[in-house]
Amino acid sequence: EPEVTQTPSHQVTQMGQEVILRCVPISNHLYFYWYRQILGQKVEFLVSFYNNEISEKSEIFDDQFSVERPDGSNFTLKIRSTKLEDSAMYFCASSVGGQGQETQYFGPGTRLLVL
Amino acid sequence: DQQVKQNSPSLSVQEGRISILNCDYTNSMFDYFLWYKKYPAEGPTFLISISSIKDKNEDGRFTVFLNKSAKHLSLHIVPSQPGDSAVYFCAASVVGNAGNMLTFGGGTRLMVKP
Repeated sequence: EPEVTQTPSHQVTQMGQEVILRCVPISNHLYFYWYRQILGQKVEFLVSFYNNEISEKSEIFDDQFSVERPDGSNFTLKIRSTKLEDSAMYFCASSVGGQGQETQYFGPGTRLLVL
Repeated sequence: DQQVKQNSPSLSVQEGRISILNCDYTNSMFDYFLWYKKYPAEGPTFLISISSIKDKNEDGRFTVFLNKSAKHLSLHIVPSQPGDSAVYFCAASVVGNAGNMLTFGGGTRLMVKP
């Protein structure tokens, strides 16, 4: 069964450093998403992406964050200058479509720890 | 902003019995609802969904009920199995929203005892 994959599974970084989290969405999916879950809190929407541009972003997704689809398979989330409060599980998701009753399928997540 | 709430942080049931997980929402624009299951160190796994034009959707042991007037949905698992022990999240979205953002509840940890 096709699945969303994410690398790395864990990332430890120093505050102020840049990190890039990588995702390979399901191959026939056209809509891609990033969510995060801070320990003990809800899963929160960050951004959705379609046709090489951002469809929607939350207030969490400020100028420190960016997304890119650098090739036909990868979807990346970059945090330019990490802060302690960026420590969280980051989940990538994808869906076939984006405006109907679409099910989003999630990857296993990347645990980011900012020291 | 508590648009989607799961008021029970945990639930314990005996194997073979019914598990009922509840979810409430406040945003009347939500019209598509999903349940996800999550094991530790894994991503959310899709279980079942329901559109606001329905009040019930069934898939094997899993049934989701939607009460639009009460802004309430529930997930029934019957019979419950030890492998169902996980955290269950309900999520909601607005169909037609260009971003297709999901809003999640806080989750309910289900423990099914053998």
